Amino acid sequence: AQSVTQLGSHVSVSEGALVLLRCNYSSSVPPYLFWYVQYPNQGLQLLLKYTTGATLVKGINGFEAEFKKSETSFHLTKPSAHMSDAAEYFCAVSERQNNAGNMLTFGGGTRLMVKP
Amino acid sequence: GAVVSQHPSWVICKSGTSVKIECRSLDFQATTMFWYRQFPKQSLMLMATSNEGSKATYEQGVEKDKFLINHASLTLSTLTVTSAHPEDSSFYICSASSGQLYSNQPQHFGDGTRLSIL
Repeated sequence: AQSVTQLGSHVSVSEGALVLLRCNYSSSVPPYLFWYVQYPNQGLQLLLKYTTGATLVKGINGFEAEFKKSETSFHLTKPSAHMSDAAEYFCAVSERQNNAGNMLTFGGGTRLMVKP
Repeated sequence: GAVVSQHPSWVICKSGTSVKIECRSLDFQATTMFWYRQFPKQSLMLMATSNEGSKATYEQGVEKDKFLINHASLTLSTLTVTSAHPEDSSFYICSASSGQLYSNQPQHFGDGTRLSIL
């Protein structure tokens, strides 16, 4: 079964600093890859996704992620953190190999804290 | 587009009460709906999926009689937590997709319902 690992349950950065949230998947066949953001007491909002084509994907709110097959990774970055970026971030995958389509497997989540 | 509305957003009730949570797709037809449970500081756990007009498919370990799911129309699914107890307290999130399960149509998430059982 597919698994998703997010290294670091908590990440703290200063406002204006680089944000790097890590995500690794386990499948030998690269899955579809997603990043979601969750603000307190809210559902999930899609930041970006990778299905095919260019491996550097740009999303909303200035975030981007790069799919690296050799590293089985899909890390999320933002050049300059803003206070409003403080939230929980989830990496998720959908198994391409098994045509999982809209069935998602979520990572454990990373709480991003932004210090003034 | 693709808005999913979940209601109520927060509910507090006594132990033994049954609680119904509604999930509505406002601007698209939700062929498939998903129900998740999220414990504090943890990830989302899929509870069940449902297709309009069909019985829900529950994940292993989820009690069908405790968590009743109804997907009677293409815009509405409900989750009823029957005879709720404090251990049922959690954050419940629904999502909806315009495609069949395993299709490439994405999930669109509601804002969640925080359930607190006293």
